[in-house]
Amino acid sequence: GENVEQHPSTLSVQEGDSAVIKCTYSDSASNYFPWYKQELGKRPQLIIDIRSNVGEKKDQRIAVTLNKTAKHFSLHITETQPEDSAVYFCAQQGVGNYQLIWGAGTKLIIKP
Amino acid sequence: EAEVAQSPRYKITEKSQAVAFWCDPISGHATLYWYRQILGQGPELLVQFQDESVVDDSQLPKDRFSAERLKGVDSTLKIQPAELGDSAMYLCASSLGTGQETQYFGPGTRLLVL
Repeated sequence: GENVEQHPSTLSVQEGDSAVIKCTYSDSASNYFPWYKQELGKRPQLIIDIRSNVGEKKDQRIAVTLNKTAKHFSLHITETQPEDSAVYFCAQQGVGNYQLIWGAGTKLIIKP
Repeated sequence: EAEVAQSPRYKITEKSQAVAFWCDPISGHATLYWYRQILGQGPELLVQFQDESVVDDSQLPKDRFSAERLKGVDSTLKIQPAELGDSAMYLCASSLGTGQETQYFGPGTRLLVL
């Protein structure tokens, strides 16, 4: 079946350094890939998304890259700050029913 | 900015009792989703509505869970009877449902079954 693999499960970086989270997917027909940030006890919030007609999208310190040939996409956070600490989920949207297939999540820890 | 509303925010109940959660999606959003999220895991889809119709409830434990969206706007998720393993965060999300894919989440209802 369709699945999304996300790595690493935990990522600890020094404040100011960059963080990269990678996801691979199986459904080559999918064309929408969102990233959600979830702070402890709060709702998942969309932070960036990408559609299959582009290879990269940036929003200030956050960027997402998509490689459709290799079927993987990555989240890049530069100049990390303490408020970036959270769990990040990647997802791909299924074709037809628009359901999201979720990665298992990455716990990002920013060390002061 | 419009948001998805959910109530209650927290619910403590004893096993075998009935509980109900309410969700009001963003105005104009045709698609509504109920998710269950266990601490440390990703959201698990329970049921998807398109307007008042169920699109997918294959992951809904129908012996104890039910969901409705009678007028195609707000929705209720019910558990009867609640079991210890139902303790989790219950999240509601909505999207435009016209091929616009972004799902927006409500604040969730945290359920604790004792």
